[in-house]
Amino acid sequence: KNQVEQSPQSLIILEGKNCTLQCNYTVSPFSNLRWYKQDTGRGPVSLTIMTFSENTKSNGRYTATLDADTKQSSLHITASQLSDSASYICVVSFNTGGFKTIFGAGTRLFVKA
Amino acid sequence: ETGVTQTPRHLVMGMTNKKSLKCEQHLGHNAMYWYKQSAKKPLELMFVYNFKEQTENNSVPSRFSPECPNSSHLFLHLHTLQPEDSALYLCASSQGQGTGNTIYFGEGSWLTVV
Repeated sequence: KNQVEQSPQSLIILEGKNCTLQCNYTVSPFSNLRWYKQDTGRGPVSLTIMTFSENTKSNGRYTATLDADTKQSSLHITASQLSDSASYICVVSFNTGGFKTIFGAGTRLFVKA
Repeated sequence: ETGVTQTPRHLVMGMTNKKSLKCEQHLGHNAMYWYKQSAKKPLELMFVYNFKEQTENNSVPSRFSPECPNSSHLFLHLHTLQPEDSALYLCASSQGQGTGNTIYFGEGSWLTVV
């Protein structure tokens, strides 16, 4: 069964600290993996996209990694800021003769001063 | 500003009402989507349109009726909804429907069914 699981469900960190969010998937055949940031009450915004051959991709203080062998991805946030408080959603796309995308339930990050 | 505009942002409707959600994209994309986001649940894809033609309907109840008059506009007509339909409804668009295309989301329409 195609699934995307994220951990932890929620996380509280102090401003300035680093954190890592996890995404495990069982999707096959894999096409690409995206991380989205969703502020409360707003639509998700794309942070990174990685294909099978990419291991790491950065977007400012956000660095995503992908291990296609173990089907795991992580999103590392460096020197967190209050504005990083949001939900982070892992999205995996796969090809089965049509457009298929599975969204994870997200990790809710709270950054405190 | 993502280039995808949704109206209204908030809607409260009774179970016997008929209302519509509107979405407009200014990105020149060909594919448009409706997603439902309930509390603490993953986004659920509802409908996909590509070049105005519906290409996906994920077993959505008929009380939700989509309409795509052109590649820039998408509507979701609501009729006889249930309280469990209360959720954030997100419209999105992408250049094409392929998996390599980034999906751009609107700000969402918060729907409350009373």
